[in-house]
Amino acid sequence: SQQGEEDPQALSIQEGENATMNCSYKTSINNLQWYRQNSGRGLVHLILIRSNEREKHSGRLRVTLDTSKKSSSLLITASRAADTASYFCATDGRKAAGNKLTFGGGTRVLVKP
Amino acid sequence: EPEVTQTPSHQVTQMGQEVILRCVPISNHLYFYWYRQILGQKVEFLVSFYNNEISEKSEIFDDQFSVERPDGSNFTLKIRSTKLEDSAMYFCASSEQGAFGYTFGSGTRLTVV
Repeated sequence: SQQGEEDPQALSIQEGENATMNCSYKTSINNLQWYRQNSGRGLVHLILIRSNEREKHSGRLRVTLDTSKKSSSLLITASRAADTASYFCATDGRKAAGNKLTFGGGTRVLVKP
Repeated sequence: EPEVTQTPSHQVTQMGQEVILRCVPISNHLYFYWYRQILGQKVEFLVSFYNNEISEKSEIFDDQFSVERPDGSNFTLKIRSTKLEDSAMYFCASSEQGAFGYTFGSGTRLTVV
């Protein structure tokens, strides 16, 4: 089964607008994380939300987690051209022995100046 | 800020050759990981390593793959006989406890020709 699937797959917005992307997962989790990846580059950790948390903020980022619906959302407020990247959610499953992360397919965000 | 260092950043190798990808995790981290990302696809877990042994591995991590922590600082991934389909970006990561402090390196782009 797929774990950590994002939607939309791609998002195009104007600078200054908000960008919202969603992630769904299937199994119980300990934590959910969001990462950013610029084209062909490494993964940059953005924010981690624990399974007992419902919302978390970090600068212009807001993450929500609904464990009853097995979903999370990432909101980037007042987007900038530099926010253009792919965004991935990654879950850390309760049954994972080695703390592996399971990534979704990502949302490609284009912020037009 | 501490970082995970990967070398080389790019490697081109002939099919059938052995390659070793190198990583220096964050010094006080205890868990080490390898992931890969085939171009345009999601990030996939390969293996996790803790206390000098593999704690979990995926189906991708077959007999052609091995990992080693030869000294107190390096963590390597060896592919014994590379195939064209091994072409991907390989990410090393380390974490201090479980999914907390999970930090990825900037990756090694492996091209098998």
